[in-house]
Amino acid sequence: KNQVEQSPQSLIILEGKNCTLQCNYTVSPFSNLRWYKQDTGRGPVSLTIMTFSENTKSNGRYTATLDADTKQSSLHITASQLSDSASYICVPRTLDTGRRALTFGSGTRLQVQP
Amino acid sequence: GAVVSQHPSRVICKSGTSVKIECRSLDFQATTMFWYRQFPKQSLMLMATSNEGSKATYEQGVEKDKFLINHASLTLSTLTVTSAHPEDSSFYICSASQPIKSSTDTQYFGPGTRLTVL
Repeated sequence: KNQVEQSPQSLIILEGKNCTLQCNYTVSPFSNLRWYKQDTGRGPVSLTIMTFSENTKSNGRYTATLDADTKQSSLHITASQLSDSASYICVPRTLDTGRRALTFGSGTRLQVQP
Repeated sequence: GAVVSQHPSRVICKSGTSVKIECRSLDFQATTMFWYRQFPKQSLMLMATSNEGSKATYEQGVEKDKFLINHASLTLSTLTVTSAHPEDSSFYICSASQPIKSSTDTQYFGPGTRLTVL
């Protein structure tokens, strides 16, 4: 069964600090992994997408890493801002293009305090 | 990036009534749209996959007669919650993808609709 585990479940940091969110998955066969940001009461917004051949990808202050061998990914946020307060969701996908719906993990709820 | 809209953003209704939620892809054609439901502090759960011009595919445990989905055009899908009950109160989110059958195709999410059934 495809599973996704994210840690920590929640995190509080001070504005300006860095943080790293973790994702372990058991999706197989693996195709790609996305990180989404979901603000409270809003739909998810894609931050990064990485295929199995990519180790790292950045999007502004967001940097995602991927280790397809250990099936781990991380999302690093640098110089956090208050607007970074949101849930961050890791979404791995299989090669099965017949199923295009996404399976979401429970996410990490990040709160950035002034 | 592509834009997906939902209407209404919030709706409050009485128990037993029906509510229709619209999902539109504004600047691209979406052959497939997905409907998700999210309860407080939980992850998004897929309800159904909607393909333009055909019947929707529902996930296990989702009542197709209660959650009616229509995808009559390439830019519009609707979800109707029939005979709504308080337990149907949730955040409903749609997503749309362009007609590229690839595991790397990007899904664009709508802003969600908050349904409260009294």
